Amino acid sequence: QVRLVESGGGVVQPGRSLRLSCAASGFTFSSFGMHWVRQAPGKGLEWVAIISYDGSNKYYTDSVKGRFTISRDNSKNTLYLQMKSLRTEDTAMYYCARERLRYFDSWGQGTLVTVSA
Amino acid sequence: YVLTQPPSVSVAPGKTARIPCGGNDIGSKSVHWYQQKPGQAPVLVVYADSGRPSGIPERFSGSNSGNTATLTISRVEAGDEADYFCQVWDSSGDHSYVFGPGTKVTVL
Repeated sequence: QVRLVESGGGVVQPGRSLRLSCAASGFTFSSFGMHWVRQAPGKGLEWVAIISYDGSNKYYTDSVKGRFTISRDNSKNTLYLQMKSLRTEDTAMYYCARERLRYFDSWGQGTLVTVSA
Repeated sequence: YVLTQPPSVSVAPGKTARIPCGGNDIGSKSVHWYQQKPGQAPVLVVYADSGRPSGIPERFSGSNSGNTATLTISRVEAGDEADYFCQVWDSSGDHSYVFGPGTKVTVL
């Protein structure tokens, strides 16, 4: 079955960088677009970014444009999110999710990012 | 594009819960619903207005018309207590996926 496992979260100071990873298994990773979705503590869901199946197209929510970069390595079945110039408002649980016709049909368990001095 | 949901809905066991999701002409969009229990990742329960993923009980159903989409949970069980989020893809923006603020369903 589909399995998505995020890693790389932790505590980081404002202005620093962090890279998240999402290891995929149980499906043909190179055939699907992939997303990052985040959830601040006690808040709702916020879409962050999407990358197409082959990595040729990438889109971001406005608040992370120019700071976050989504990428993938289909040879390793892994999705990434490089986060730079982190802000306190980026504190959240970050989920990777599989794209399916403009919705998210499978989710990982999430990795927590805390931005704090 | 903005989606609205009531913060909470309460329902007795065995009864029917209806969770609205409002948006301008949302009936022209495809609406998807996610269930999230405390400390867990979201789970897709309805896609494309009324589709039900494999493994989701038939008690979960959806509809969409005009300015309101609705997730209906029939014969509510204690295990249905969770947050529920609606979601659409906003084609007017730069490839934007929009979530509603979420509704907490409490089983009395």
